[in-house]
Amino acid sequence: SQTIHQWPATLVQPVGSPLSLECTVEGTSNPNLYWYRQAAGRGLQLLFYSVGIGQISSEVPQNLSASRPQDRQFILSSKKLLLSDSGFYLCAWSVVGGEQFFGPGTRLTVL
Amino acid sequence: QKEVEQDPGPLSVPEGAIVSLNCTYSNSAFQYFMWYRQYSRKGPELLMYTYSSGNKEDGRFTAQVDKSSKYISLFIRDSQPSDSATYLCAMSVGQAGTALIFGKGTTLSVSS
Repeated sequence: SQTIHQWPATLVQPVGSPLSLECTVEGTSNPNLYWYRQAAGRGLQLLFYSVGIGQISSEVPQNLSASRPQDRQFILSSKKLLLSDSGFYLCAWSVVGGEQFFGPGTRLTVL
Repeated sequence: QKEVEQDPGPLSVPEGAIVSLNCTYSNSAFQYFMWYRQYSRKGPELLMYTYSSGNKEDGRFTAQVDKSSKYISLFIRDSQPSDSATYLCAMSVGQAGTALIFGKGTTLSVSS
């Protein structure tokens, strides 16, 4: 069966510091991968999605970036965090044409 | 007008009640409709996935899609305290392997 992992689970970072969140999927090949952010009262917002290694589409321009160095690995990064980057970051996967399944999430607090 | 509207609640019901959760949308191109359940501080869990109009039933859960009215519903029968969570509707234009548009979620509390 397929499983999706995210780490870290919780992160507290100062403003201006870098960020790296990692997501890995097991039990499937060539999945579509997604990064979402869930902020209080604002629902789930798609940040990036990827249909293959090195292929990244950005949905919302901001100081975040994403990379997919391996088939089942998706990384969310920032060079300098802002206060507004605080939120619950969720990685999801799907097969082409299939439903999206979410990971456990990373709760990021920027102070 | 937002693409997907969902009453945030909170919605409080006694155990055993029938719960109705709803979303409206504005984009008539949406064809795939989903309901997710999210417990506090956890990732969303897919409950129901439907294509186009009609009903789909899975245990105590029934999803309805009315494309003519741009309205989708999730019914929960015999609600349990373990159903207490936030319920998110989501929809997409293409197949679900592309971007989903989410409602903000309805918080449900079922008391024993």
